[in-house]
Amino acid sequence: DAGVTQSPTHLIKTRGQQVTLRCSPKSGHDTVSWYQQALGQGPQFIFQYYEEEERQRGNFPDRFSGHQFPNYSSELNVNALLLGDSALYLCASTHSGSRSGNTIYFGEGSWLTVV
Amino acid sequence: DAKTTQPPSMDCAEGRAANLPCNHSTISGNEYVYWYRQIHSQGPQYIIHGLKNNETNEMASLIITEDRKSSTLILPHATLRDTAVYYCIVRDVNSGNTPLVFGKGTRLSVIA
Repeated sequence: DAGVTQSPTHLIKTRGQQVTLRCSPKSGHDTVSWYQQALGQGPQFIFQYYEEEERQRGNFPDRFSGHQFPNYSSELNVNALLLGDSALYLCASTHSGSRSGNTIYFGEGSWLTVV
Repeated sequence: DAKTTQPPSMDCAEGRAANLPCNHSTISGNEYVYWYRQIHSQGPQYIIHGLKNNETNEMASLIITEDRKSSTLILPHATLRDTAVYYCIVRDVNSGNTPLVFGKGTRLSVIA
């Protein structure tokens, strides 16, 4: 049973460029969330997708956008990259159906460096 | 903002039990206590969660006080591979898929 998988694992971009990160959720999961983790900080929630729609959003600008596909996989897009966007980007998945403390599982992340 | 308070760092001797405390004095009735850990440069790993009863799995035990205002994660026999940042998170699971709100966590160093 594959867990949450993300690609690419590392990438370097230049300021002003755009980046797309990809995520496949754990088998059986239908809800995908994205988190940003700057060096030395805890992960910060960006947004969540369920049924191909953005359901919740954290305090991130519109430069951060996403998409969820019918197979539940997801993409995170960041436009007009800033140096401060350099971080570990984490994808997390869960199943929407459970009410008794459904567990969120994380991928290994994509390291983005903006130069 | 995170609703939990954890010590910034702790040391534990290899083979001994690691007891990681967490204060969540404003926890509400619908909120579970979750523990995750993050080994350097990896994604957070789920450890355990509970509502009000003590919980145990193959990784750890979670002890929640009767008033639910604090909890302790216990790693019964710490190994060097348990060195990581441990995050205690409270999460309302009755309001849809509420995201996790991470604080700074506790950096546990297991020493040989």
